[in-house]
Amino acid sequence: AQSVTQLDSQVPVFEEAPVELRCNYSSSVSVYLFWYVQYPNQGLQLLLKYLSGSTLVKGINGFEAEFNKSQTSFHLRKPSVHISDTAEYFCAVSQTSYDKVIFGPGTSLSVIP
Amino acid sequence: GAGVSQSPSNKVTEKGKDVELRCDPISGHTALYWYRQSLGQGLEFLIYFQGNSAPDKSGLPSDRFSAERTGGSVSTLTIQRTQQEDSAVYLCASSSPRGGGQETQYFGPGTRLLVL
Repeated sequence: AQSVTQLDSQVPVFEEAPVELRCNYSSSVSVYLFWYVQYPNQGLQLLLKYLSGSTLVKGINGFEAEFNKSQTSFHLRKPSVHISDTAEYFCAVSQTSYDKVIFGPGTSLSVIP
Repeated sequence: GAGVSQSPSNKVTEKGKDVELRCDPISGHTALYWYRQSLGQGLEFLIYFQGNSAPDKSGLPSDRFSAERTGGSVSTLTIQRTQQEDSAVYLCASSSPRGGGQETQYFGPGTRLLVL
C-alpha cells in the first residue's frame, strides 16, 4: 500500500523568502509523484509531476521539486515566494498512470507580507 | 476547452435523504475519478471509472455510496440515507492517455455537501 506524509501542516514564510515543503512517501513499487495546489475556495490544480527521467522537475509559478528515491522524498521548493502563493499544497502518489491518486494531508503555506 | 464541471456547486440536505452529485468530465477523457475532501480525513479516493466500468471501487466508504457512468462521459455519485459524516466536498477528476501514455488528472471545482 502507498502512503504520503507531509510533516509540516503549516508553513509561514515571509514574502520573497525561499520555501521548502516536505513530502515523503512509502511504496513497494515505482510510483508517479505529484504536487497539487488548492487556492482558497478553489479546486485542485497540478503544480508539477514526476513520472520518470530527470529527478528535478520544474512546474508552474516558479516551483520545482526533486525526486530522491533513496530517501523516498519529493520536496517542493520555490526560491522566492509571493503573497499569491498562499494556499494549501498536497503531495500525492499513484502507482500507474491510470491509478487512483493517494494524497498527503496537505501543507498550508502562508506568505507574510 | 471546457474543464471538468460539477453540479450542484453546493447542496444542503437533511439527514436520511438521498443526494445525487453530477460530474461532466473533459470531452474525450476516458478515465473519471471521484474523491472526497473533508476536514477530518483530508482527500480520499472513492471510485475510478475507465469508460463505463469501475475497476476500482475500493474507496467507497459504505454501501450507501454508489456511482455510475453512462456513455463514457457523465458520472453520477449517489449517496443514500445521508449521514452528517457525509458532509464534505466531493471532487471529480478526469484524465486521458497521451502519446507517452502518461496522464494528469484534471479536477473539477467540487460539490460542497452539507448534511443537517
